[in-house]
Amino acid sequence: EAEVAQSPRYKITEKSQAVAFWCDPISGHATLYWYRQILGQGPELLVQFQDESVVDDSQLPKDRFSAERLKGVDSTLKIQPAELGDSAMYLCASSLTRGSYEQYFGPGTRLTVT
Amino acid sequence: KQEVTQIPAALSVPEGENLVLNCSFTDSAIYNLQWFRQDPGKGLTSLLLIQSSQREQTSGRLNASLDKSSGRSTLYIAASQPGDSATYLCAVRIQTGANNLFFGTGTRLTVIP
Repeated sequence: EAEVAQSPRYKITEKSQAVAFWCDPISGHATLYWYRQILGQGPELLVQFQDESVVDDSQLPKDRFSAERLKGVDSTLKIQPAELGDSAMYLCASSLTRGSYEQYFGPGTRLTVT
Repeated sequence: KQEVTQIPAALSVPEGENLVLNCSFTDSAIYNLQWFRQDPGKGLTSLLLIQSSQREQTSGRLNASLDKSSGRSTLYIAASQPGDSATYLCAVRIQTGANNLFFGTGTRLTVIP
């Protein structure tokens, strides 16, 4: 069964360092999402891609966060510099199209900033 | 902005009991509502999706209902099992061009053997 892949699964970094997360969506899925989930809360959308284009990044803290999906397949989310408040689970999801309601989630990357 | 609330935040029940999880949302203009399961340290697994025109959906021992006008949904789990222990999240999709979800904070369920 096809799955959304994410790496690394866990990351510990010091404050002010740079960190990057990678996501490989289900093959053929045009829409890719990055969510952030703070412990004890529900996920919140950071950025949404349709193919290689950003369609919604209104909640992305653009002073330190960046996301790209250069070839419209896999995606990278970067934080530079990391802050203590960035400690969270970062979830990637994909769907067939923007009109498709079914989003499939990856296992997530647990980030701890010390 | 759409606000989604789940009550209770945590619930413990003995194995075999039937239980209900609650979800409420502030804006009734939704496309649909979805229930997810999340195991500790893992991603989300979709359980049920209810379109705004529907009243309920069933899958095995799970039944989800939707009362759009009052901004409420419930997830009913019959004959609970220890393997049902997880956090259950509800999410609503609003009527805009973006295909994003607004999530509740979840209910952490523990089923005691």
